[in-house]
Amino acid sequence: DAMVIQNPRYQVTQFGKPVTLSCSQTLNHNVMYWYQQKSSQAPKLLFHYYDKDFNNEADTPDNFQSRRPNTSFCFLDIRSPGLGDAAMYLCATSRNQRNQPQHFGDGTRLSIL
Amino acid sequence: AQKITQTQPGMFVQEKEAVTLDCTYDTSDQSYGLFWYKQPSSGEMIFLIYQGSYDEQNATEGRYSLNFQKARKSANLVISASQLGDSAMYFCAMREAGNQFYFGTGTSLTVIP
Repeated sequence: DAMVIQNPRYQVTQFGKPVTLSCSQTLNHNVMYWYQQKSSQAPKLLFHYYDKDFNNEADTPDNFQSRRPNTSFCFLDIRSPGLGDAAMYLCATSRNQRNQPQHFGDGTRLSIL
Repeated sequence: AQKITQTQPGMFVQEKEAVTLDCTYDTSDQSYGLFWYKQPSSGEMIFLIYQGSYDEQNATEGRYSLNFQKARKSANLVISASQLGDSAMYFCAMREAGNQFYFGTGTSLTVIP
């Protein structure tokens, strides 16, 4: 089945130690998104790619970076994680059409020690 | 102003009964899409139903239907014959021109046996 896959499902890192979360898709969608979601809150968009065009949200901290080396893969890099970065990180994909929904991966739950 | 407003932080419904989850939206665009997602406690976001701004009929998908009232800018989700597995967070979202989705704060639904 075509899908969005996030690895790992759970990630533990140390305060200040860089961490990378990965997302891959077999849907061939041209838009990929990264969201941060804290407990009982709505997902917060960090950035998205439309093909290779990177779109950063104004309030996304500089600590968060992203790479999309090809259509299928997208990475979220957190350069120096703080305790406040502990959250669920959701990757989603979509076609570039207004009537198209997002398809989400299962998420990566990040813990900071 | 909030693009999507969900005024019910939590809802309870008896098993086999119907329940309506409220969603209002704010946009000046003529063309937009409205989406509902379900997020169980395991964390994945599941797309449920879509309504386009030009659709004259209310969308339906199995036990899910969308009560779309364009003049009131509301897009309420109706779940018929509730099941225990329907217990989850429900998010309403809107897509205007471009690739950004706007999410509401969500409604936590609990189905009581």
